[in-house]
Amino acid sequence: DAGVIQSPRHEVTEMGQEVTLRCKPISGHNSLFWYRQTMMRGLELLIYFNNNVPIDDSGMPEDRFSAKMPNALFSTLKIQPSEPRDSAVYFCASSLLAGGTDTQYFGPGTRLTVL
Amino acid sequence: QQPVQSPQAVILREGEDAVINCSSSKALYSVHWYRQKHGEAPVFLMILLKGGEQKGHDKISASFNEKKQQSSLYLTASQLSYSGTYFCGTEGVQGAQKLVFGQGTRLTINP
Repeated sequence: DAGVIQSPRHEVTEMGQEVTLRCKPISGHNSLFWYRQTMMRGLELLIYFNNNVPIDDSGMPEDRFSAKMPNALFSTLKIQPSEPRDSAVYFCASSLLAGGTDTQYFGPGTRLTVL
Repeated sequence: QQPVQSPQAVILREGEDAVINCSSSKALYSVHWYRQKHGEAPVFLMILLKGGEQKGHDKISASFNEKKQQSSLYLTASQLSYSGTYFCGTEGVQGAQKLVFGQGTRLTINP
């Protein structure tokens, strides 16, 4: 089975540019999570969806960040405009929530560098 | 709110044992353990759901003390492949799915 798929794997952009990260969850999973990992802040949850509906976006840093999940097959995380402090590895994870807690399976991540 | 892991780093020789602790200031419903190797994604190890529950596979096991709001990960007879950074993720409410990760414990296994 294919795991969580993320694209691109690496992104280098200049300050002020728009960045779009993409995620395809594991087929059949109904929850999707976006995380950001940096040396300073560690692994932090940005937003998560359940059945394509955003449940908690309290971790989204500011209005420059937005996330969508138009269907069960696809999610995007957009940063507009990007800033150097957004440089990080962004992970997408998915799980099957069936009445309790469940394992979150992480994608390979997108390494974002904002110059 | 972020759980505290200890130690921050540990260096072992192959075959030695290690314990990694994860403590929370809030009541916990579950604790999730992950291992991450450099440049890779976190990989799931195990979930602990009940207070006092101990789970494990192979030579990696974990316990969860609900009263003390802490969990410990035990690695026995460590192998080179165990090297990496270990994270605990804590969930405060049943079904909330919102994990808060500790800062990680870097484990280095030398031959």
